[in-house]
Amino acid sequence: GQNIDQPTEMTATEGAIVQINCTYQTSGFNGLFWYQQHAGEAPTFLSYNVLDGLEEKGRFSSFLSRSKGYSYLLLKELQMKDSASYLCAVASGGGFKTIFGAGTRLFVKA
Amino acid sequence: EAQVTQNPRYLITVTGKKLTVTCSQNMNHEYMSWYRQDPGLGLRQIYYSMNVEVTDKGDVPEGYKVSRKEKRNFPLILESPSPNQTSLYFCASKKQGYEQYFGPGTRLTVT
Repeated sequence: GQNIDQPTEMTATEGAIVQINCTYQTSGFNGLFWYQQHAGEAPTFLSYNVLDGLEEKGRFSSFLSRSKGYSYLLLKELQMKDSASYLCAVASGGGFKTIFGAGTRLFVKA
Repeated sequence: EAQVTQNPRYLITVTGKKLTVTCSQNMNHEYMSWYRQDPGLGLRQIYYSMNVEVTDKGDVPEGYKVSRKEKRNFPLILESPSPNQTSLYFCASKKQGYEQYFGPGTRLTVT
C-alpha cells in the first residue's frame, strides 16, 4: 500500500532548530513536497526535493533519500509564527497524483 | 493577484440535497485538483484534472463528481451528500512539475 508517516506533534523553543521527519512508501515517485498550514488556513508551499540531497531556502531546509524513502524538514532560528502544521507530500503517477501525510503540528514556545 | 478562489467558504446542508463547490484559478494552470481534509487523516485527493476535459480519480472519489469545461474552473459536485462527506475541502492548481497553490477551503457540514 501507499503510506506516508510523520510525527503527530512536536514542541520546540523559540530560536532553536527542529527537524521533522517523514518516511514514505509509494508506488511511484515524482518528487516530495513540504507544505506549511496554519490553523484554519490553506497549505502553502515550503520546499521540493526530487533528487537526493539537501535543498536550502533561508531558515528552511529539506533533505531527501529516495533509497530510504525518507525526508526531513529542518527549521532553524524558530519563531513563534512557525507554530503550524507541516505536511509531507509525495507526487506520483507522473506528478498528477499527490499523497499527503497526516501532518506534524509544531508548537513553538517562548 | 495570482490566486485560487473557492465558493462557498462555508456550507451547511442536508443529506441528499445536491450541491456544487466552485473553484477558479487565474494562473493559467493546466492542472487542478480537489482534496478533502479530515482530522488525523490529512489531505486526501478526490479528483484531479490534467487539462480541459481530462479528469481522473484520486484516492477517495466515491460520492463526488467533477467537470473541467474551461481551464480556469474545476467545480466539485456532490449529487447526494451524506454526513460522511462533512469535511474541509481544498481546491488546488499548479503547473506540471511544480508546487500546488491551494484555495482558501470550503467547510462543508452535511446533517
